[in-house]
Amino acid sequence: DSGVTQTPKHLITATGQRVTLRCSPRSGDLSVYWYQQSLDQGLQFLIQYYNGEERAKGNILERFSAQQFPDLHSELNLSSLELGDSALYFCASSPRLAGGGQFFGPGTRLTVL
Amino acid sequence: AQSVTQLDSQVPVFEEAPVELRCNYSSSVSVYLFWYVQYPNQGLQLLLKYLSGSTLVKGINGFEAEFNKSQTSFHLRKPSVHISDTAEYFCAVSVVYNQGGKLIFGQGTELSVKP
Repeated sequence: DSGVTQTPKHLITATGQRVTLRCSPRSGDLSVYWYQQSLDQGLQFLIQYYNGEERAKGNILERFSAQQFPDLHSELNLSSLELGDSALYFCASSPRLAGGGQFFGPGTRLTVL
Repeated sequence: AQSVTQLDSQVPVFEEAPVELRCNYSSSVSVYLFWYVQYPNQGLQLLLKYLSGSTLVKGINGFEAEFNKSQTSFHLRKPSVHISDTAEYFCAVSVVYNQGGKLIFGQGTELSVKP
């Protein structure tokens, strides 16, 4: 158990819908990262927040957005969902702004029908 | 730009045999390297990391990796594998910006340990 929690574990929804994925980092970790894992793209970095501020952005679609709240939990919002958004979404956390290691949550499996 | 290449997509091996999972990286700046393991239907677990210092890094579950700067490699080894080591293994490099950072992952190597 890494100490990073993610909810829900599974999510099944329809195209065009909007969903919210939630992540609670390890106690004391200020950085939260979001990654997408799919069969064709592998593990791709989406976005990083540090102490409530966006710090790094990867291949995140405009339909996707994230935020980190004062209690340091984070949410990833996915809207206008398409079939290709079906994937595993991981949240990770680390105590530092960058470098070091990241600790991953169990992931949320999103299925878009 | 930084990148990671895992040279083998699948590695089948018999129980108690040694194994090496190969990883090459490309980076023009200071390198922080990691190996993660993903068991079926689970998240990624950090096996080991190289940040600085000794080039031979020991991790959990009897795994070790050697950082080789001249060959830009960070291969993962275990002298004797168990059935329970069957999983997907990911090599990653940390990219650090002024404002933040991210991990870039390789494509993964599926280790299959057979009795």
